[in-house]
Amino acid sequence: ETGVTQSPTHLIKTRGQQVTLRCSSQSGHNTVSWYQQALGQGPQFIFQYYREEENGRGNFPPRFSGLQFPNYSSELNVNALELDDSALYLCASSLGLAGGLGTQYFGPGTRLLVL
Amino acid sequence: GQQVMQIPQYQHVQEGEDFTTYCNSSTTLSNIQWYKQRPGGHPVFLIQLVKSGEVKKQKRLTFQFGEAKKNSSLHITATQTTDVGTYFCAGPFVKKLVFGQGTRLTINP
Repeated sequence: ETGVTQSPTHLIKTRGQQVTLRCSSQSGHNTVSWYQQALGQGPQFIFQYYREEENGRGNFPPRFSGLQFPNYSSELNVNALELDDSALYLCASSLGLAGGLGTQYFGPGTRLLVL
Repeated sequence: GQQVMQIPQYQHVQEGEDFTTYCNSSTTLSNIQWYKQRPGGHPVFLIQLVKSGEVKKQKRLTFQFGEAKKNSSLHITATQTTDVGTYFCAGPFVKKLVFGQGTRLTINP
């Protein structure tokens, strides 16, 4: 059974740029969620995708957007990067009916630094 | 707003001492989940509690869900150096999972 994978592991961008982060779900999982974790804080829910549609969203601006593909892999896109976007971005997959908020299986994360 | 609060924020213990972290929600939860994140790692699921007053044990770890389903606790008996990390609780609010800020546990061997 393959776990959740994310790429890249680290990324450095400058303010104003755009970034795309990628995630492959654990085999058999139909729901993917993205979280932002600032240093010393808990993961903050960005959004969740179920069957290729956004199924829930946290308090993040529209410049944070995502996609889920038919194979349940996912992308997180962030436009117009700001310094405060520097964080660990975690993808988590889960198996749920109608995109429920069940056990989250986290990937190793992408550490983004915005200069 | 929808909040999950954890206390304490930090806890340092001697190896062999017990450790407890507490989690409080602003509203009643359908379930509560606990995760552990080792330094430099990612959160790993520990357990989910669903029933009012539920108590579950995993070896030296004891998890409780309050009668009102608004609070929870994690107790570790006789800590070991492998217990080092940050422990998070998380609760579902409508269509998002809200994590507490975590309790960071450090242990003196």
